[in-house]
Amino acid sequence: QVQLQESGPGLVKPSQTLSLTCTVSGGSISSGSYYWSWIRQPAGKGLEWIGRIYTSGSTNYNPSLKSRVTISVDTSKNQFSLKLSSVTAADTAVYYCARDSGSYSIGPHFDYWGQGTLVTVSS
Amino acid sequence: DIQMTQSPSSLSASVGDRVTITCRASQGIRNDLGWYQQKPGKAPKRLIYAASSLQSGVPSRFSGSGSGTEFTLTISSLQPEDFATYYCLQHNSYSFTFGPGTKVDIK
Repeated sequence: QVQLQESGPGLVKPSQTLSLTCTVSGGSISSGSYYWSWIRQPAGKGLEWIGRIYTSGSTNYNPSLKSRVTISVDTSKNQFSLKLSSVTAADTAVYYCARDSGSYSIGPHFDYWGQGTLVTVSS
Repeated sequence: DIQMTQSPSSLSASVGDRVTITCRASQGIRNDLGWYQQKPGKAPKRLIYAASSLQSGVPSRFSGSGSGTEFTLTISSLQPEDFATYYCLQHNSYSFTFGPGTKVDIK
């Protein structure tokens, strides 16, 4: 059974960089044709897809966040990571990592999710 | 960027009711749309892909339709476990956009 677990600081100061890591267990991050995504959800609000990475290192980002986002993968540690720079209070949200087992033709299928981690941006 | 809207933003319904949720895209996205269900404190779960294909394991009371810019999710007979928030998700380009969500609660 694949499991994902987010980790990282729960509090980040405005203008700083938010950094989160997702550790994948129960399977190799390199096996299969999967993308690995980050998705966030402000409290009481809707979902926002942040971006994704393939194990080759190929990435796609949400255009509205692209200038501030970097997603990377470390296959040796079975982890992938998110960096979001120049954060403001608007970036306060629960951040989820998820496995995407979909395809271009049928779209993303986020079949495994982490439990989510709350990141608050505040001084 | 492709923007998504959903209507209504919330609705109250009774068990056994037929429920329809609409999702609109700011530009044509063919059938590049899925529907997700999210229950409080839980991760979202895909119900429909390619606008009208039922995800394996999802009850047949859920159905999707539409193409281009307008899409609908229909629950033919609402069950107690269906009270949740529903999101559409477009994937027309190499960037995905969720709709703002429709909360379905008990009348």
